[in-house]
Amino acid sequence: KQEVTQIPAALSVPEGENLVLNCSFTDSAIYNLQWFRQDPGKGLTSLLLIQSSQREQTSGRLNASLDKSSGRSTLYIAASQPGDSATYLCAVSPGNTDKLIFGTGTRLQVFP
Amino acid sequence: EAGVAQSPRYKIIEKRQSVAFWCNPISGHATLYWYQQILGQGPKLLIQFQNNGVVDDSQLPKDRFSAERLKGVDSTLKIQPAKLEDSAVYLCASSGHRGRTGELFFGEGSRLTVL
Repeated sequence: KQEVTQIPAALSVPEGENLVLNCSFTDSAIYNLQWFRQDPGKGLTSLLLIQSSQREQTSGRLNASLDKSSGRSTLYIAASQPGDSATYLCAVSPGNTDKLIFGTGTRLQVFP
Repeated sequence: EAGVAQSPRYKIIEKRQSVAFWCNPISGHATLYWYQQILGQGPKLLIQFQNNGVVDDSQLPKDRFSAERLKGVDSTLKIQPAKLEDSAVYLCASSGHRGRTGELFFGEGSRLTVL
């Protein structure tokens, strides 16, 4: 059974810091991995999608990497801003299904 | 392009009552998902539709939850009777990729409180 874990559960950093959020999954047979952002009281916004054949994806100040063999992904946020404050969720698509299995998220606070 | 629409945004009911949530996916998206997100947890898939057919409902508590997607567009999720542990945000998502998971687009969710 696929399980997704995110560490740390919460993170508070000053503005301008570079930071790394971690995601691990127990079964390496995945189709893709996605990172989402969730603001309080809101739905989820897709940030980056990495196919199983890819190693990383970049969008602006965000960079996500994938190491399938070790069951790990990282989301790197450069030069963090207060507007980055949100919960970040990692989700994997198991290789034999279409559904997404989510981690419990990392709650990020960036203070001025 | 309009996003995924959900209603109501908030609902408070007493246990054993019933409730229904509605979702209108992005136009043209064939795949529709209902997720349950309990406070402090990641979303959990309840049911997945491909057009108006059910692809996966293995985690749907079928004794109290039901969902339908008539005509392959809008969908309704119903809970009857509700229990305290059903308090959660119910998220609807849609995808335009047929057969395999692509990028999912989520609505803002319907927050249910069961007293």
